Amino acid sequence: NAGVTQTPKFQVLKTGQSMTLQCAQDMNHNSMYWYRQDPGMGLRLIYYSASEGTTDKGEVPNGYNVSRLNKREFSLRLESAAPSQTSVYFCASRAPSSYEQYFGPGTRLTVT
Amino acid sequence: AQTVTQSQPEMSVQEAETVTLSCTYDTSESDYYLFWYKQPPSRQMILVIRQEAYKQQNATENRFSVNFQKAAKSFSLKISDSQLGDAAMYFCAYRSSNTGNQFYFGTGTSLTVIP
Repeated sequence: NAGVTQTPKFQVLKTGQSMTLQCAQDMNHNSMYWYRQDPGMGLRLIYYSASEGTTDKGEVPNGYNVSRLNKREFSLRLESAAPSQTSVYFCASRAPSSYEQYFGPGTRLTVT
Repeated sequence: AQTVTQSQPEMSVQEAETVTLSCTYDTSESDYYLFWYKQPPSRQMILVIRQEAYKQQNATENRFSVNFQKAAKSFSLKISDSQLGDAAMYFCAYRSSNTGNQFYFGTGTSLTVIP
């Protein structure tokens, strides 16, 4: 089991460029999440997906879109990157009726 | 949205000593879950311990235990016999049992372990 995987691990973008962060889990979990982590801010939820085909906004969804491609994969897209989106992005998943979220290793994104 | 507050940005402890990290939260719900996550320099988020609000007994996992005060909305983490490998950021988190898909995290406490 690989758990939760994220690609890429690091990325540098110029302002206005677009990119998609990929996340996949092999634990057959229904729920998947995207967070961003900024210094002094903890983790903030961007979007989540309770099941295949559904997505919902979290605390900080502006500037992002998501796709729950299938049960395994949940991608996060930045259509026009801004310096304020410089952050570390974490994907997580959770099984039904489970307490625990399992996190991926994170993607460090820098927007210049 | 729920609010989770960690008022100690940084803490330090001598190796083999005990340290307590504080967390308070704001909620109007009666049923929920609380968690402590550890994030070492590798960035990987690791679940340390969890507490169900309906349980009066404080959770314990080896050297880690919590002091859950439901009326005070307080959830502190005690690390006993601190080890160098305990050095990390620690995050407190809340999840509702009713609208259970959203987790709310505190801003974290950076723990240094002094040899």
